[in-house]
Amino acid sequence: DAGVTQSPTHLIKTRGQQVTLRCSPKSGHDTVSWYQQALGQGPQFIFQYYEEEERQRGNFPDRFSGHQFPNYSSELNVNALLLGDSALYLCASSLGGQGSYEQYFGPGTRLTVT
Amino acid sequence: AQSVTQLDSQVPVFEEAPVELRCNYSSSVSVYLFWYVQYPNQGLQLLLKYLSGSTLVESINGFEAEFNKSQTSFHLRKPSVHISDTAEYFCAVNPGYSSASKIIFGSGTRLSIRP
Repeated sequence: DAGVTQSPTHLIKTRGQQVTLRCSPKSGHDTVSWYQQALGQGPQFIFQYYEEEERQRGNFPDRFSGHQFPNYSSELNVNALLLGDSALYLCASSLGGQGSYEQYFGPGTRLTVT
Repeated sequence: AQSVTQLDSQVPVFEEAPVELRCNYSSSVSVYLFWYVQYPNQGLQLLLKYLSGSTLVESINGFEAEFNKSQTSFHLRKPSVHISDTAEYFCAVNPGYSSASKIIFGSGTRLSIRP
């Protein structure tokens, strides 16, 4: 049973560029959440996708956008990169129905903005 | 708003000594509590969870945590630590608004084990 997978593992971008990160959820899961983990901090919620729509959003600017595909995989896009966007980006998957409160995390994509 | 406070940013202990990592959360009607572990350069792994029922929950590698509603705490304990337990530990809460609500994390506690 494949767990949550993310690509790429590492990424280096220049300030002002755009980046796309990808996530495939755990088999059977239909909900994908994205988190940003800055160095030395806990993960911060960016947004969550369910049924191909953004269902919740954290306190992140519109430069952060996402998409969910019919196969439940998801992309996180960040435009106009800033140095402060350097972080580990974590994807988590879960079941959208009632009764499941756990989220399973992928290994993350480490983004470095120079 | 929900929040999670991890009282210690770093906890150094000797191998085979007991350890307690403290976690407090802001109260809510119902919460679901988790401890995640993050080994160096890796993602988060679920260590244990409290959803309902017995207030004492255990993991497969000897950790346990106790949900204390009156003190709004969910401290993590292990009676004897091993070098392999060296990692960052995050306490987290799902406020329970829906089955897939965002998880709110504490700032983490770095557990370092000395031989």
